[in-house]
Amino acid sequence: AQSVTQLGSHVSVSEGALVLLRCNYSSSVPPYLFWYVQYPNQGLQLLLKYTSAATLVKGINGFEAEFKKSETSFHLTKPSAHMSDAAEYFCAVSRNTGKLIFGQGTTLQVKP
Amino acid sequence: DSGVTQTPKHLITATGQRVTLRCSPRSGDLSVYWYQQSLDQGLQFLIQYYNGEERAKGNILERFSAQQFPDLHSELNLSSLELGDSALYFCASSGDLSGNTIYFGEGSWLTVV
Repeated sequence: AQSVTQLGSHVSVSEGALVLLRCNYSSSVPPYLFWYVQYPNQGLQLLLKYTSAATLVKGINGFEAEFKKSETSFHLTKPSAHMSDAAEYFCAVSRNTGKLIFGQGTTLQVKP
Repeated sequence: DSGVTQTPKHLITATGQRVTLRCSPRSGDLSVYWYQQSLDQGLQFLIQYYNGEERAKGNILERFSAQQFPDLHSELNLSSLELGDSALYFCASSGDLSGNTIYFGEGSWLTVV
């Protein structure tokens, strides 16, 4: 069975600091991995996805993530946080079926 | 704007009632997915339809049912509602079965009182 664990339900960073949101997955087959962002009172927006091509994936708004098979990780990073990055972030895994298994989410707080 | 339209945006109803949530996928997308987001369970996959046919089922209760119509819009029917059914229900769509790129609507907030 597939599963996703996001380490840290809340992460707080200062504006301009590095953002690191952690995601570990469990999958018996090569997974597809995704990061979604949810702003207050809005739907889920796809930030980036890994679908077995390049292991370093660049997404929107300056975010990127690296697929590390040996560590079963897909951590999300951004070099410099903006106030507008404050939101909830979800890591998800699928087996190329469209059925996404989501982590519990990480709320990112950005302090001025 | 993802192109996925959900109605209603907010709904308050009493226990024991039945409601229907509606979803219009992005133009041309054949796959429609329904997800539930609640404080207790997080984001959970409920069901997927592809071109009118059910393709995958997740943690969907027997009191819930869905369908996809010939014009590709979908409805999620929730019956015998309980307080615990209060949640944000998302519809999503993609162009194929792989789900490599899934677009989510803004959700329908259901409150059961």
